[in-house]
Formats: sequence, structure tokens, C-alpha cells
Amino acid sequence: GAGVSQTPSNKVTEKGKYVELRCDPISGHTALYWYRQSLGQGPEFLIYFQGTGAADDSGLPNDRFFAVRPEGSVSTLKIQRTERGDSAVYLCASSPTSTKETQYFGPGTRLLVL
Amino acid sequence: AQSVTQLGSHVSVSEGALVLLRCNYSSSVPPYLFWYVQYPNQGLQLLLKYTSAATLVKGINGFEAEFKKSETSFHLTKPSAHMSDAAEYFCAVSRGGSQGNLIFGKGTKLSVKP
Repeated sequence: GAGVSQTPSNKVTEKGKYVELRCDPISGHTALYWYRQSLGQGPEFLIYFQGTGAADDSGLPNDRFFAVRPEGSVSTLKIQRTERGDSAVYLCASSPTSTKETQYFGPGTRLLVL
Repeated sequence: AQSVTQLGSHVSVSEGALVLLRCNYSSSVPPYLFWYVQYPNQGLQLLLKYTSAATLVKGINGFEAEFKKSETSFHLTKPSAHMSDAAEYFCAVSRGGSQGNLIFGKGTKLSVKP
């Protein structure tokens, strides 16, 4: 079956602009995670959805970052007033139900803020 | 709190030699531990995971890892390296309970020499 997909694969924007990154999880997976991976680092957790609700958003760096999952499937990560320091690869992962299960990762969106 | 330390940001081995990638963890609860591999411009792929069953875990592509509670380690090994094993490897620990996000190490880049 289809894996986790993310669009766009690459996004170049200017400082101060607004961006949206989309994640399509594996069909039927109720848990969805967003991570951010900076150059030379491991992925860092941003936010976790169980169904439509954000179960844990403790990793969001500040209030410029926001994510939604209105129908419990596709999720959108929104970044307002982008800064150069937001440049990174944004990874999405999904898992079937519980937190004990394997997370399946998408290929990521590479964001570059000029 | 959970954390992961990967010793060695770069490891180089000859084709056919033993691969040993080190991971030490810190966890206040019984941990779930994971190894992921990331090929260039691709998403993270699960190699293997430990979820409190057998301490020796076998994964894909001939990799295995042993959970050693006394040493708080979960090192990844493969008896004989192949050129196709060249990639970046990440060790991760789950926060456990209702907090499903993974905490990753900084990664180890494996190079395989012919």
C-alpha cells in the first residue's frame, strides 16, 4: 500500500512569509507525528495527533508554528512569519493506533527560508 | 526524561567487516528503543525495535541489536558490511506511555569502503 506522503518535497520562501506543509498518512493510521530535522542532527519532535486532536504539542518551538488535522487523516503544518532558522527538513510519520507501534516516515519537506 | 547518545558521528568500515554502531539511552521508564536508517534524500526506515520482549532483536538487512539494561545500551551490529549499508543510522527512544513521540540521537553516518 501507499506510504506516508508529504508535499511539497521542497519549498523555498522568503523571511517573513507564511508556509503550509502537508502530510498524507498511511490510510487508517490514527496517530500522526511531525518532526523537524536540522542539518547534521537527528529529528526533533514537534507535535503528535491522535485522531483529530493534538495529544502533545510540547515540541512546537513557538507560536509561529501551528498544525491541524481536521478530519483525522491529512495534516497541515503551518509556519507564520518564517525565519531563516526555520530552514530544515520537516518529517511526518504515522502509526496504526497506539504509541507502542512503529512509526512510518514520509520523505520529508525540505524548507529553505532566504 | 528520555535521551539518546550515539557515539561517533562517522564510522567507516571495509566491505565484509563487522559493523558496530553505538547507542546509549537514558529513560525514567522501561524504554522502547528503535534503530532507523536514512538513505540520501529518503525518509527514515525502521531497521528494528525493542519493546520489552527478547533482548536480542533481529531486524532487516542482517542487522541486529542487543538491549543491555545494566549498560543502558542498544548497540547495532551486522557481521559483514555491504556497500549498500552506507547510510545514516539513528537510534531513538520512545517517551512511552501516552507520549508516543520518539527522541532521536544525532545519528551516525556509516561509510563502507570497497
